[in-house]
Amino acid sequence: GQQLNQSPQSMFIQEGEDVSMNCTSSSIFNTWLWYKQDPGEGPVLLIALYKAGELTSNGRLTAQFGITRKDSFLNISASIPSDVGIYFCAGRNTGVNYGGATNKLIFGTGTLLAVQP
Amino acid sequence: EAGVTQSPTHLIKTRGQQVTLRCSPISGHTSVYWYQQALGLGLQFLLWYDEGEERNRGNFPPRFSGRQFPNYSSELNVNALELEDSALYLCASSVGTGLQPQHFGDGTRLSIL
Repeated sequence: GQQLNQSPQSMFIQEGEDVSMNCTSSSIFNTWLWYKQDPGEGPVLLIALYKAGELTSNGRLTAQFGITRKDSFLNISASIPSDVGIYFCAGRNTGVNYGGATNKLIFGTGTLLAVQP
Repeated sequence: EAGVTQSPTHLIKTRGQQVTLRCSPISGHTSVYWYQQALGLGLQFLLWYDEGEERNRGNFPPRFSGRQFPNYSSELNVNALELEDSALYLCASSVGTGLQPQHFGDGTRLSIL
């Protein structure tokens, strides 16, 4: 199945450090989303981006929708132990103008984040 | 407000059996999506239902099917189970078919022996 390239694959950091991860695609999207998944749970939406160039923050999280529409990044500032989990990017196209495959999310390969207190 | 709820949480089946998974969307959401999260394969889109109709399906064989009921809840059916069907099956819902993001349930863990 199709997956987006997400890097890094894993990160092991100290509490208080900043984190950056990114996602790239060979095709364009009109929406980028970032989710966090904890063990035994479903993905939880962190940030949604709808416009190329858009920069959006949610607390200590900041994400940007790349100008080319083919990439996005997520930054986490001043990490804390509860930031531990797997972070997924997802791209989506809505509307019949985007190859007919509308609304489905194409997920990245995931970034495993471990934070040491 | 209750989130997306899925049942059962865990299920063990044997090869060749059939299984039905259930999903209740967030109140007011009309679109339901099904995804498979298998080890090593990531999250893969399975099916999308909106207003009772199947709108799109992913690259899965026909033994994966489903439906959406008038109250917008949904079922995912998998026939002739194979070992590689072992995965976490996630349901998501969204408001209509527009730009609103998808919100996920905690999934059903299906194990095939």
